[in-house]
Amino acid sequence: GQQLNQSPQSMFIQEGEDVSMNCTSSSIFNTWLWYKQDPGEGPVLLIALYKAGELTSNGRLTAQFGITRKDSFLNISASIPSDVGIYFCAGHYQSNTGKLIFGQGTTLQVKP
Amino acid sequence: GAVVSQHPSWVICKSGTSVKIECRSLDFQATTMFWYRQFPKQSLMLMATSNEGSKATYEQGVEKDKFLINHASLTLSTLTVTSAHPEDSSFYICSAPREAGPHEEQYFGPGTRLTVT
Repeated sequence: GQQLNQSPQSMFIQEGEDVSMNCTSSSIFNTWLWYKQDPGEGPVLLIALYKAGELTSNGRLTAQFGITRKDSFLNISASIPSDVGIYFCAGHYQSNTGKLIFGQGTTLQVKP
Repeated sequence: GAVVSQHPSWVICKSGTSVKIECRSLDFQATTMFWYRQFPKQSLMLMATSNEGSKATYEQGVEKDKFLINHASLTLSTLTVTSAHPEDSSFYICSAPREAGPHEEQYFGPGTRLTVT
């Protein structure tokens, strides 16, 4: 089945540092979404990308939809302790079904 | 605020019993909802698509007779885990698409932690 390869698997950084994570696919995706999940909760949408090449920011977060439509990255600038959590990329690869495929997740830990 | 709710947030049941989990879209209608399960330290795996007024469609490898889905109204989908076994213990999460301008955005519920003893 379709898979999204997300990296890195985990990151341990110092507060104030910038963070970058990315997702790649062997297939073309129609949308790319980035979610954050806190322990014991459902994922929360951070950024949604709908067009190839699109670059979107949400506060300290910036994400881009790759030109080839097979990749996306998420950057977090000036990390703070509350950025701790698991970040997932997700994408729609089948039009009009609403089905989302998720990456494996990036666990982020921030040291104050 | 939350746009999708789930109930219960956690449940413990004995092997062989059935458990029903509710997923509700708040202040919007959803003709389609999705059910995922998530094991510890793993990603979300799509189980099935819940369709209002028609049968659910299940992903490959998911037993439809074990995981019964009913989309009773435009704001409610239920997942019933029948004859639960310890290996069914997991975090179950639902989602519903909501229109955001020209696009749809997928909103997730807070999840239901199922523990089967």
